[in-house]
Amino acid sequence: QQQVKQSPQSLIVQKGGISIINCAYENTAFDYFPWYQQFPGKGPALLIAIRPDVSEKKEGRFTISFNKSAKQFSLHIMDSQPGDSATYFCAAHYNQGGKLIFGQGTELSVKP
Amino acid sequence: DVKVTQSSRYLVKRTGEKVFLECVQDMDHENMFWYRQDPGLGLRLIYFSYDVKMKEKGDIPEGYSVSREKKERFSLILESASTNQTSMYLCASSLGPLGYEQYFGPGTRLTVT
Repeated sequence: QQQVKQSPQSLIVQKGGISIINCAYENTAFDYFPWYQQFPGKGPALLIAIRPDVSEKKEGRFTISFNKSAKQFSLHIMDSQPGDSATYFCAAHYNQGGKLIFGQGTELSVKP
Repeated sequence: DVKVTQSSRYLVKRTGEKVFLECVQDMDHENMFWYRQDPGLGLRLIYFSYDVKMKEKGDIPEGYSVSREKKERFSLILESASTNQTSMYLCASSLGPLGYEQYFGPGTRLTVT
């Protein structure tokens, strides 16, 4: 049962453009919504995270927008760079037990 | 610096073989996790452990078992490897049950022929 749905599966953006990745969740027992970034040959690494009582969080060029009523959240990458080319996973953290449920992943390619 | 290491980057095994994947973390983390990563399916949780000698089933435990004899080491065991277990296997650790930041190893690409 997939509790976190992510789209699109792949994304091509020109350098300097905005990359947008969307996720939707079903379970209300989640207390954090992190995004992970994975480069080829590496394991995923935490990029940015948001709590459900916050509507937006920004760190540098990366912003999470959160819509609690719609059970949706998204990652925006402003001024996308070729070095941002990676696979991005959204996730939801259970408030008990520490489990993460991951989305299907988005392969981002930023063209120079 | 935080580090999670996995015993092999690439592994090729035959159908029916018993396979051991080892994971070691040096951060004194309580929690350890095993995932498999497949294109279009994301990361799916196989097993996790909150403490030594404790284990919990994840979403896809069938065909796998785990062992955690020491806090820093978490092993994934494929009792009888099958071709549908060909995948990338990722180990992760986190500090405490409330930690949403998991630290991942580089992964083991397992091919079962």
